[in-house]
Amino acid sequence: GAVVSQHPSWVICKSGTSVKIECRSLDFQATTMFWYRQFPKQSLMLMATSNEGSKATYEQGVEKDKFLINHASLTLSTLTVTSAHPEDSSFYICSARRGLAGGWAYFGPGTRLTVT
Amino acid sequence: DQQVKQNSPSLSVQEGRISILNCDYTNSMFDYFLWYKKYPAEGPTFLISISSIKDKNEDGRFTVFLNKSAKHLSLHIVPSQPGDSAVYFCAASGTQGGSEKLVFGKGTKLTVNP
Repeated sequence: GAVVSQHPSWVICKSGTSVKIECRSLDFQATTMFWYRQFPKQSLMLMATSNEGSKATYEQGVEKDKFLINHASLTLSTLTVTSAHPEDSSFYICSARRGLAGGWAYFGPGTRLTVT
Repeated sequence: DQQVKQNSPSLSVQEGRISILNCDYTNSMFDYFLWYKKYPAEGPTFLISISSIKDKNEDGRFTVFLNKSAKHLSLHIVPSQPGDSAVYFCAASGTQGGSEKLVFGKGTKLTVNP
């Protein structure tokens, strides 16, 4: 099956620094990628929809200047958490949709971010 | 505003019996529904999906039913096995305002007892 990778799998950073998380579709081209965050014992919260070659669409309440999304190619989307604070500590998961709208979305393994 | 709701945070069933997980949605723009299985600290794994033009889709032990008029779907697992124990997320997909969305419910933790 299709594989989506994320890098890094975990990262610890100091408050005020920026962290970049990569999401790659390894064996298919993904015109659309989604970014989620998950707090302990809670659901996956959709942060933004990333479309190749255009600006990401952010969900209400998600700061676009803080969570920068770039979808520069059909196989790579990046999420940069700028000026990270401890409250940004979370599990970030990306998914890539293969094919037409409504098709299967494959998920990456997630990135655990801890801001100290 | 929670667009996809899974009202049962947990469910416990005996091995060999049927597991029924329920999901409700509120937004009519959703036209594709998916179920995912997730283990802690891992990404969700796709299980089964259904288009809004259908009312049933079956794949092995897994069957998803969709009642579009009630905006309700359910996942049936039969027979349930201990290896099915995990958190199951219902997700809905659709396009709104030119942007595609894939929205998840809060999940239901299924425990299948041997």
